[in-house]
Amino acid sequence: KQEVTQIPAALSVPEGENLVLNCSFTDSAIYNLQWFRQDPGKGLTSLLLIQSSQREQTSGRLNASLDKSSGRSTLYIAASQPGDSATYLCAVRTGGSQGNLIFGKGTKLSVKP
Amino acid sequence: DAGVTQSPTHLIKTRGQQVTLRCSPKSGHDTVSWYQQALGQGPQFIFQYYEEEERQRGNFPDRFSGHQFPNYSSELNVNALLLGDSALYLCASSLEGTSLTGELFFGEGSRLTVL
Repeated sequence: KQEVTQIPAALSVPEGENLVLNCSFTDSAIYNLQWFRQDPGKGLTSLLLIQSSQREQTSGRLNASLDKSSGRSTLYIAASQPGDSATYLCAVRTGGSQGNLIFGKGTKLSVKP
Repeated sequence: DAGVTQSPTHLIKTRGQQVTLRCSPKSGHDTVSWYQQALGQGPQFIFQYYEEEERQRGNFPDRFSGHQFPNYSSELNVNALLLGDSALYLCASSLEGTSLTGELFFGEGSRLTVL
């Protein structure tokens, strides 16, 4: 059974710091991995999608890496801003292109001005 | 380009009642999935609809049922509501095809409170 774990559960940093969020999964047979952002009480915003054959994806200040063999992914946020404060969720898609997502519990990030 | 839209945004029900939640997928998408997110938890997969058929189902009881219409929109129905059904219900859409990325796009969710 696929399980996704995110560490740390919560993180508080001063504005301007670079930071890394971690995601691990127990079964390396994934189709892809997706990072999401969730603001309080809101839906999920897709940040980055990494296919199983890829090693990393970048979008602006965000960079996500994938090491499928070790069951790990990291989300790197450069030069953090107060507007980055949110919960970040990692999800893996199993069962091929038609499979469902299995989520971690998220990392709650707070960036202090 | 309209994203995934869900209605209602908030609703309150009492135990034993029934509820229907609605979802319109992102333009051009043909697959709709539903997820339940309890407070402080990651979303849990309920089921997925494609070509008006339930294609996959997560570990949820039969009280949870759904439907997909010819225009790809979808409904989630929950019967005999329990206190534990209180959650944020998220709809996600995607476009299937082996040459595509399989990226899921989520709506803002429907917040259900059961009293």
